Amino acid sequence: AQSVAQPEDQVNVAEGNPLTVKCTYSVSGNPYLFWYVQYPNRGLQFLLKYITGDNLVKGSYGFEAEFNKSQTSFHLKKPSALVSDSALYFCAVRDGGGKLIFGQGTELSVKP
Amino acid sequence: DSGVTQTPKHLITATGQRVTLRCSPRSGDLSVYWYQQSLDQGLQFLIQYYNGEERAKGNILERFSAQQFPDLHSELNLSSLELGDSALYFCASSTIDKGEAFFGQGTRLTVV
Repeated sequence: AQSVAQPEDQVNVAEGNPLTVKCTYSVSGNPYLFWYVQYPNRGLQFLLKYITGDNLVKGSYGFEAEFNKSQTSFHLKKPSALVSDSALYFCAVRDGGGKLIFGQGTELSVKP
Repeated sequence: DSGVTQTPKHLITATGQRVTLRCSPRSGDLSVYWYQQSLDQGLQFLIQYYNGEERAKGNILERFSAQQFPDLHSELNLSSLELGDSALYFCASSTIDKGEAFFGQGTRLTVV
């Protein structure tokens, strides 16, 4: 069965510093991987996806993610964090039937 | 704005009652997904419809049911409500199986 894991419940970063939110996956076959962000009392917003091709995927709001097949990871990164990046981040994998399976989420807190 | 519309935004009802949540997918999207988000369970997949047909079922209780109509909008029916059903219910839609899904703003259900 397809699954993703987000090993950190919370990540704390100072504004201006680089940030990484971790995700590992377990799939059979080629993975279709996604990152979403959720602001308080809002729906999930799509950030980026990996289907095939370059291992470094660029997405919205300056975020990027690095696909690493040997480590089965798909970490979300941003070179310089903003206070407004503080939110709940979800990694997801699409299964063979099409539905998204989400990790437990990581709360990102960026302090000034 | 994701293009996915959910109504109502908030719903407060008593235990034992029945409610219907409504979702209008993005124009052209054939797949509709329902998810439940609670504090202790994270984002749980409930059910998926594709062009009017049920495609996948997740951890959906027997008291819950859904359908997708010919105009592609979907409804999630929750009956014999219990306090534990209080949660955010999200609808998402997508065009193709490999692509990203777009989420509505959610319906916050409170059972009292």
